[in-house]
This record gives sequence, structure tokens and C-alpha cells, in this order.
Amino acid sequence: DAGVTQSPTHLIKTRGQQVTLRCSPKSGHDTVSWYQQALGQGPQFIFQYYEEEERQRGNFPDRFSGHQFPNYSSELNVNALLLGDSALYLCASSLWRTRGQPQHFGDGTRLSIL
Amino acid sequence: AQTVTQSQPEMSVQEAETVTLSCTYDTSESDYYLFWYKQPPSRQMILVIRQEAYKQQNATENRFSVNFQKAAKSFSLKISDSQLGDAAMYFCAYRANAGGTSYGKLTFGQGTILTVHP
Repeated sequence: DAGVTQSPTHLIKTRGQQVTLRCSPKSGHDTVSWYQQALGQGPQFIFQYYEEEERQRGNFPDRFSGHQFPNYSSELNVNALLLGDSALYLCASSLWRTRGQPQHFGDGTRLSIL
Repeated sequence: AQTVTQSQPEMSVQEAETVTLSCTYDTSESDYYLFWYKQPPSRQMILVIRQEAYKQQNATENRFSVNFQKAAKSFSLKISDSQLGDAAMYFCAYRANAGGTSYGKLTFGQGTILTVHP
């Protein structure tokens, strides 16, 4: 039973560039959520996708965008990268609106901005 | 807006001893779940235990148990017989259930680093 997989593991970019992070949900899951975790901090919710639509969004600027594909996998895109975007980006999957269903997390993508 | 607060940035415990990690939260909703996640240096967030707000009985999972005080909005984690493998960052998290305004979104605390001494 494959868990949540994220790619790449680590990425280095420079200010102003754009980046795409990828996530495949756990087998059987249909909902993907993205979180940003700064060093030494708790994860912050970016947005959640279900049926290829953004269902909820946290307090992040429009530079952060996403997409969900028919196979439930998802991408997180960040444009015009800033130094402050350096963080661990976590993807979590779950079943849409299933009571008590916990979110399962991937290992994350470490994004470093130079 | 919901908030989750972990007031202990760091805790330490001797192997085989018991330690309690604290968490408080604030919400106006009545139907929600609370979670404790563990994040070792390998980075993956691992679910330790969960508690449904409507259930008065405290959840237990082997050596892990919670003390859920709904009126006080407190949700502490007790780790018994601590093992070296328990060393990690622990996060308390909140999520509203279906129909709640924040459904699906996990709100995390700042985390507590747990060190286990042999």
C-alpha cells in the first residue's frame, strides 16, 4: 500500500524563479492538502484540492497556486520566489469529508531559496 | 479563527519514564478532532493519537494517552515507558468536522521537541 509520495526531495532555487512541487496521494485517497513548514515551526495550511478544485485556502498570496489531476495527484506552484519561501513543503492526503479520517503526510520537499 | 498553542518548546525525559506534553486550543466550534503528530528528523509527520471532541473518554494508543479537557480546551499527551525512538518534534493539531468552517484544514501548534535520555 503506497503512502504519500512527494518529489523532488530537495530543491534549490534563486529569488524570482518559479518552482513546481509534486505529490501523489496514498492509494484510495481523493483529497490533497499542502502545508508550508518553516524551520522549527508548525506547518501552515496553504490549500486543499478535491475533484480538481481548490476547496479551502490558507493565508498565502496568489504566488502560491495548485492543481489536482484526474488521478488525484497534485502540484504546488510558487512564482516569484522570495527568500522567505524557504521551507519544508508537506503534502497530505485523505478522503473527502470522511469523519475522523486523519491526513497522511509525505516526507516533504525541502525548498531552499538563495 | 482556531488557534493551537504548545507552551513547551522543549521537554526531556529519561528512558522508561513518563512525560506529558501540553496543548491548549481555542475554537468556537463544538464538533472537531484533535491530533498529536510526531515528526522525527526524517521529516515525515506521523499520526500518534486522535481524539473526537464528542467523546468524553480519553483516547489511548499503547504507551500514548491523552488528557482531554473540553471545557478548559486542553489536550495533553502522556508518553509512558519512554523509548529512545520517541525522540522527535511533537505537534498538536486541530481540525473541524464536516460542516465546520475549517473542515479539512489542520491547524498546528508550534511544536515541542522531545529528547529522550538513555
